[in-house]
Amino acid sequence: QKEVEQDPGPLSVPEGAIVSLNCTYSNSAFQYFMWYRQYSRKGPELLMYTYSSGNKEDGRFTAQVDKSSKYISLFIRDSQPSDSATYLCAMKDSGAGSYQLTFGKGTKLSVIP
Amino acid sequence: DVKVTQSSRYLVKRTGEKVFLECVQDMDHENMFWYRQDPGLGLRLIYFSYDVKMKEKGDIPEGYSVSREKKERFSLILESASTNQTSMYLCASSLSRKVGGYTFGSGTRLTVV
Repeated sequence: QKEVEQDPGPLSVPEGAIVSLNCTYSNSAFQYFMWYRQYSRKGPELLMYTYSSGNKEDGRFTAQVDKSSKYISLFIRDSQPSDSATYLCAMKDSGAGSYQLTFGKGTKLSVIP
Repeated sequence: DVKVTQSSRYLVKRTGEKVFLECVQDMDHENMFWYRQDPGLGLRLIYFSYDVKMKEKGDIPEGYSVSREKKERFSLILESASTNQTSMYLCASSLSRKVGGYTFGSGTRLTVV
């Protein structure tokens, strides 16, 4: 079983739709959870960052972490064509020697005008 | 605004050439990383460094080496380029092991012919 599973899509939605992107993971030591957005031919940029369980909201974006189910989600409300990108989840434990993030493979999202 | 700068956006090299990919960050980050990104395989860690002159192998170090002589600069070296090293190469940096978020560069698209 891979450490982080993410549906690669592609996911295609009409403008204005609510988008749900998800990742599951197997390592119960993960404590830090992130979502990155990557536009075509660009590097990923950090979109949302959460620690442990719970929700975090930033504008049209909401990140949810359910550690009991080992499941994280990113919701995009009122999706826009500019949200078309690949979204990568990433996570990290809090161990003393922990430098690395573990990434999902990314979900490609297209928002159709 | 914090920045990770990769010296080239696109490179074309011949099989057997020695290739240098340069990455510079202006954020005084301790940790620096080199990834390659391929369709269907996601981000794969090649090497990382948590201090000047320190380096650690990632998941796929074969055929690569790195150099970190100054804190702000992390170089990836392909000793003898091969066609299976054609890929998108991404450099990233992070401030501390606890916070965990990376800042990525824009990437270098390397084609080996």
